[in-house]
Amino acid sequence: EAQVTQNPRYLITVTGKKLTVTCSQNMNHEYMSWYRQDPGLGLRQIYYSMNVEVTDKGDVPEGYKVSRKEKRNFPLILESPSPNQTSLYFCASSLFGRGADTQYFGPGTRLTVL
Amino acid sequence: QKEVEQDPGPLSVPEGAIVSLNCTYSNSAFQYFMWYRQYSRKGPELLMYTYSSGNKEDGRFTAQVDKSSKYISLFIRDSQPSDSATYLCAMSPLSGSARQLTFGSGTQLTVLP
Repeated sequence: EAQVTQNPRYLITVTGKKLTVTCSQNMNHEYMSWYRQDPGLGLRQIYYSMNVEVTDKGDVPEGYKVSRKEKRNFPLILESPSPNQTSLYFCASSLFGRGADTQYFGPGTRLTVL
Repeated sequence: QKEVEQDPGPLSVPEGAIVSLNCTYSNSAFQYFMWYRQYSRKGPELLMYTYSSGNKEDGRFTAQVDKSSKYISLFIRDSQPSDSATYLCAMSPLSGSARQLTFGSGTQLTVLP
């Protein structure tokens, strides 16, 4: 089944404790990205990657890191999480990263930073 | 002002009603218009897309674009409880990358049996 998977689905952590949210897609997509979704603000892009070893900042990159060492994986790293990073996070992928391409989203990771 | 404005709702309608969901936008470069549906505790999934102006119909769903007014709509006929979800509009320039894809904040819809 074609899909984007994320782990963990739910995470409660404390300020400053480094964490990684994994994302994997099995569709051989070149483009992958991370969004956060907050009430009233919608989906805001954190980072994106056009292909392996090619990553760039989105609209809200502060406090986040990513890497793209393999085509299928795009982990999101919070080196020192803070309470304002409490949010619902989505990984997404698309075939070539064109605006008209269908974005395939993962099921989401709900992060709470205490 | 946001590039894409969407009434967050919540919108509650009885089963069988016609639902109208709308977005307005300010960037005249937007040419691709999409509607994503997001069920509770799930990621968004593409429902419909249209290019430039006009209507597109798919079963009970009709997407409408009015570029002169910078206004897009999604109509749901004979709404069902299974249509209860958050609906997000999304837009992109003609030759834009996914980096330029802009989402509305979503409208939460509940269809009551």
